[in-house]
Amino acid sequence: QQPVQSPQAVILREGEDAVINCSSSKALYSVHWYRQKHGEAPVFLMILLKGGEQKGHEKISASFNEKKQQSSLYLTASQLSYSGTYFCGTERLGGGTSYGKLTFGQGTILTVHP
Amino acid sequence: DTAVSQTPKYLVTQMGNDKSIKCEQNLGHDTMYWYKQDSKKFLKIMFSYNNKELIINETVPNRFSPKSPDKAHLNLHINSLELGDSAVYFCASSQEGLGLIEQGTEAFFGQGTRLTVV
Repeated sequence: QQPVQSPQAVILREGEDAVINCSSSKALYSVHWYRQKHGEAPVFLMILLKGGEQKGHEKISASFNEKKQQSSLYLTASQLSYSGTYFCGTERLGGGTSYGKLTFGQGTILTVHP
Repeated sequence: DTAVSQTPKYLVTQMGNDKSIKCEQNLGHDTMYWYKQDSKKFLKIMFSYNNKELIINETVPNRFSPKSPDKAHLNLHINSLELGDSAVYFCASSQEGLGLIEQGTEAFFGQGTRLTVV
């Protein structure tokens, strides 16, 4: 079952902040965040494991609330290079058919204007 | 050096044909995947292999047959292509298979193969 991302699209001016949310109805082992630019492959941003940690990557950080099965990606002081489609990918707890399965949300299109 | 490479990058073919997409990774990863990205950009897992063994086979028509000759290669063969098969197919790899290592592992994606069935 795929996670749900919100919003579907965000339009920003350079320097503005944005938050992208990802939620799942199933217990999660981890949440991954990827960014995909048009015509390119998804590129890994960060991974968060259950434990409620927060991670940062330059001006992009994320949190994972395992109780709510939610993750949020925070983009601060956005740059033109941040434009792209952001995907969260989730791994569910438990083995069996959950093993090795990264299920992606539908994506959030982020556009940063000068 | 390209970590995960797919060939071809573009593939245009007629309905009913059989085609293959090749994928190779030089990262020494144990697990490889095929994802399909449709026109709405939805990334959907198709198959997952760990050390040449099939782990995940999602609800994919049996016209799609993955083959892993060794753990560095995972090819995708598609028989009797249909219009609905048109999409971008991404190969990816990760170490040990996601979810098994406490620290978690990222997936590296190939550049994608844009398949157009006419």
